[in-house]
Amino acid sequence: NAGVTQTPKFRVLKTGQSMTLLCAQDMNHEYMYWYRQDPGMGLRLIHYSVGEGTTAKGEVPDGYNVSRLKKQNFLLGLESAAPSQTSVYFCASSTYRVAYEQYFGPGTRLTVT
Amino acid sequence: AQSVTQLGSHVSVSEGALVLLRCNYSSSVPPYLFWYVQYPNQGLQLLLKYTSAATLVKGINGFEAEFKKSETSFHLTKPSAHMSDAAEYFCAVRAGDTPLVFGKGTRLSVIA
Repeated sequence: NAGVTQTPKFRVLKTGQSMTLLCAQDMNHEYMYWYRQDPGMGLRLIHYSVGEGTTAKGEVPDGYNVSRLKKQNFLLGLESAAPSQTSVYFCASSTYRVAYEQYFGPGTRLTVT
Repeated sequence: AQSVTQLGSHVSVSEGALVLLRCNYSSSVPPYLFWYVQYPNQGLQLLLKYTSAATLVKGINGFEAEFKKSETSFHLTKPSAHMSDAAEYFCAVRAGDTPLVFGKGTRLSVIA
């Protein structure tokens, strides 16, 4: 099993450009999440999904959109990138059972200039 | 809503010394608690978790944590630090059917 994979690993964008980050999991997990990690801020939840075709806002959703068209994939989109979105983005997945942990991908380092 | 406070953004210990990383939580319902470790330029890896069974939880790499309801704490310990333990550690809480909420992390340095 590959677990949780993220594409791409690194990306540099100019202000105003758009991009999509792809997360894929092969563990048949129902729930998927997008977090951003900034120095001294820990991980903050952007959006999450409890199943195919459903999404919900997290703590810091502004400037991002998501889609979950297939159970195994969760896409994070930036329509008009801003320097404040420079961060490391982590995708995670989990089962619906609350006692179970979230599994994380390796991260995508995004720089917006 | 639940929250996590990690005391100390940076902890430095000597090799062979006790490691103690502090975590306090807030939750209106019985929580599930987790410790994750992040090595440089990598994702997060689960160290251990508390799911309302034993209050003393043992994890990987010799780490353990004790759930203390009266103190709303879930501190992470290891009797003897190793150089390979240098990493960032995150405490997280889950209350009910909600995503994990993370603390801001504690960076552990191990001095030879």
